[in-house]
Amino acid sequence: AQKVTQAQTEISVVEKEDVTLDCVYETRDTTYYLFWYKQPPSGELVFLIRRNSFDEQNEISGRYSWNFQKSTSSFNFTITASQVVDSAVYFCALTGVDSSYKLIFGSGTRLLVRP
Amino acid sequence: DADVTQTPRNRITKTGKRIMLECSQTKGHDRMYWYRQDPGLGLRLIYYSFDVKDINKGEISDGYSVSRQAQAKFSLSLESAIPNQTALYFCATSHSGSTDTQYFGPGTRLTVL
Repeated sequence: AQKVTQAQTEISVVEKEDVTLDCVYETRDTTYYLFWYKQPPSGELVFLIRRNSFDEQNEISGRYSWNFQKSTSSFNFTITASQVVDSAVYFCALTGVDSSYKLIFGSGTRLLVRP
Repeated sequence: DADVTQTPRNRITKTGKRIMLECSQTKGHDRMYWYRQDPGLGLRLIYYSFDVKDINKGEISDGYSVSRQAQAKFSLSLESAIPNQTALYFCATSHSGSTDTQYFGPGTRLTVL
């Protein structure tokens, strides 16, 4: 069965520090899709990125970057030069045949960026 | 205007009451989903619908029912609310592809006393 583990429950950093949020997944699929969502204090869930298992290229979007490594079943998320507005709960999620294409979420990592 | 809307945004009710949470979308998506979020547990799927005539149970459907009134509307009902149904409820939508990105509504915070 598919599973997503976000071992870091909470992370606290000072503004301008770089921070990496870890995501480790388990799946029997050869084709699968990984996602990151952000939940700011206001509560909504904001889609950040979708990556399929065939594409192991790292992705950069502004201060955000994602490192996908199939060899270690990880899809880690790095925020460079963190800002207070990055404070949120971040969820990693996975879908594929193994879950009948249901979206399986990790338990989330709460990031606090202090001024 | 938001693409996925949920009403109400907050609701406090008493044990045993019937509650309906509503979701509407203007994204033109075929698929709609209901999740609940509890602290430390991430999101768990309650029900999902691939089109108006196709409704499926998710991971935690006991105590809930749904209705897909139209392609754009998907409501979640708690027939007899109980305190452990206190949670944040999210509606989501996606295109018809199995792996398409799900887009979430703003959430409904439900408290059952």
